[in-house]
Amino acid sequence: EPEVTQTPSHQVTQMGQEVILRCVPISNHLYFYWYRQILGQKVEFLVSFYNNEISEKSEIFDDQFSVERPDGSNFTLKIRSTKLEDSAMYFCASSELAGSTDTQYFGPGTRLTVL
Amino acid sequence: AQSVTQLGSHVSVSEGALVLLRCNYSSSVPPYLFWYVQYPNQGLQLLLKYTSAATLVKGINGFEAEFKKSETSFHLTKPSAHMSDAAEYFCAVSVGNQGGKLIFGQGTELSVKP
Repeated sequence: EPEVTQTPSHQVTQMGQEVILRCVPISNHLYFYWYRQILGQKVEFLVSFYNNEISEKSEIFDDQFSVERPDGSNFTLKIRSTKLEDSAMYFCASSELAGSTDTQYFGPGTRLTVL
Repeated sequence: AQSVTQLGSHVSVSEGALVLLRCNYSSSVPPYLFWYVQYPNQGLQLLLKYTSAATLVKGINGFEAEFKKSETSFHLTKPSAHMSDAAEYFCAVSVGNQGGKLIFGQGTELSVKP
């Protein structure tokens, strides 16, 4: 069964460093998402991406964050200058169609630790 | 604005007992509602979803949920818990007309005692 994959599973970085989290969505999916979950808190929406541009972004998704689909398979989240409060589990998701009823399929997550 | 509240951050049941995980939503428009499950070290997996068809929705692994508009609820149930059901469960509401973002509840950790 097709699945969303994410690399790395765990990333440790120093405050102020840039990190790139990578995701490979399901191949025929058109909508892509990033969510994050700070330890002990809710899963929060960061950004949605369709047709090579951002569809919607949350207040969390400030200028330090960017997303890109550099080729036909990868979808990346870049954090330019990491802060301690960026430590969280980051989930990538994809859906086949562009609709509120469409199932989003989630990857296993990347745990980001900022020291 | 849409929101989701899950009552109880941790629920413990005995194997074979009824599982009831509570979810209440707030939405100014007809909602689409989802239950996801997360097993340790895995991503979120869809259990079931409500998309304004039947109010009683059946999902995988014997779970079901009933949409009750009058109570703004979408509680998840399973008649008989199994040890393999131990996991974290998330209720979510979808917003927007296209590619709607999901707004999640805080999650409920289900423990199943032998």
